[in-house]
Amino acid sequence: AQSVSQHNHHVILSEAASLELGCNYSYGGTVNLFWYVQYPGQHLQLLLKYFSGDPLVKGIKGFEAEFIKSKFSFNLRKPSVQWSDTAEYFCAVNGPKTNSGYALNFGKGTSLLVTP
Amino acid sequence: EADIYQTPRYLVIGTGKKITLECSQTMGHDKMYWYQQDPGMELHLIHYSYGVNSTEKGDLSSESTVSRIRTEHFPLTLESARPSHTSQYLCASGGPPRGDLSYNEQFFGPGTRLTVL
Repeated sequence: AQSVSQHNHHVILSEAASLELGCNYSYGGTVNLFWYVQYPGQHLQLLLKYFSGDPLVKGIKGFEAEFIKSKFSFNLRKPSVQWSDTAEYFCAVNGPKTNSGYALNFGKGTSLLVTP
Repeated sequence: EADIYQTPRYLVIGTGKKITLECSQTMGHDKMYWYQQDPGMELHLIHYSYGVNSTEKGDLSSESTVSRIRTEHFPLTLESARPSHTSQYLCASGGPPRGDLSYNEQFFGPGTRLTVL
């Protein structure tokens, strides 16, 4: 079965610091990879996604992620965080798993707090 | 504007009551999903649907049931609520709009936070 691991459950950063959130998955085949963000009181929103092609993908609000197939990783990065980036971040993956309608497998999430 | 809606947003109910959590989407998606999320934990799939009259159970065992009579509507029902059902329930839709290539991006509703006393 697929699994998704997010290494950091709670991260606290000062504004302007750089961010890297780790995500590893366990599936050897073709995958689609996603990072979702949940701001306080809001619903899950797609931050960025990887389907194929350039392994460095750019998302909204200055976020990017790099797919490293050999490491089964899809780490999220942002060079300079802002207070408004305070949120819960979820890594998700789905492969060609036909017995769950292409549902997503999620990590446990990383809670990011950015202090002024 | 295309979106996905869930009602109610919050529900507090007593043990033994029957409840239905509503989910509707105006995105034209065929695939719809229900996930359950507890604080600090990952989302777990409890139900999904490929389209009208299609419903399947997900990876996480759930006593709830779902129906899909219309493309845009995917309600979840608990016949007899128990405290163990206390959780957040997230509805999502995904897959391509009709006629486009297949991608598996999913769009989420705001969730229903259920508390069973």
